[in-house]
Amino acid sequence: SQQGEEDPQALSIQEGENATMNCSYKTSINNLQWYRQNSGRGLVHLILIRSNEREKHSGRLRVTLDTSKKSSSLLITASRAADTASYFCATDELGNQFYFGTGTSLTVIP
Amino acid sequence: EAGVAQSPRYKIIEKRQSVAFWCNPISGHATLYWYQQILGQGPKLLIQFQNNGVVDDSQLPKDRFSAERLKGVDSTLKIQPAKLEDSAVYLCASSRWGYEQYFGPGTRLTVT
Repeated sequence: SQQGEEDPQALSIQEGENATMNCSYKTSINNLQWYRQNSGRGLVHLILIRSNEREKHSGRLRVTLDTSKKSSSLLITASRAADTASYFCATDELGNQFYFGTGTSLTVIP
Repeated sequence: EAGVAQSPRYKIIEKRQSVAFWCNPISGHATLYWYQQILGQGPKLLIQFQNNGVVDDSQLPKDRFSAERLKGVDSTLKIQPAKLEDSAVYLCASSRWGYEQYFGPGTRLTVT
């Protein structure tokens, strides 16, 4: 099955540092979404970026999208311990097939 | 606004038994999704409904899994017969078409 792939698989940083995770995908998309999943909890939507957008901000989150490279990045600035979670990108592909990536596990050390 | 509701939250069954999961989406959301998430992996889309029609079920193991969405609101996902490898969390989500998805708490299935 086609999926986005996040990089790195795991990331450990100190509180206050920035965290960057990347997502690559394979086909043309309508939009790309980022989700967060805390251990043992459900998925929470963070941000949606459409194929005609290049950058989007939401609070401490910044997402970029490069459709020519089929890649996206999620930047979390001034990280907090509460940001510890798994982060997934999800692509809404043309033809309306929806795929989640493999996830980046972020640990923020207080 | 009420979130996506799922039941049961946990289910333990023996292999070859059947099981059913229920989902009630957010009011007004025409699109409903069922995902399977195996521990340590990203969610895998099983089936996507738009109202009561199927948009995508390409990854649904149709020999044992079935899903329906009667009247374009609630949905049920059934597994019959269950296998050990079906142990996972089953997530339901809903959205407006082309917008972000809202997820329910999931049902954790253990097949022994």
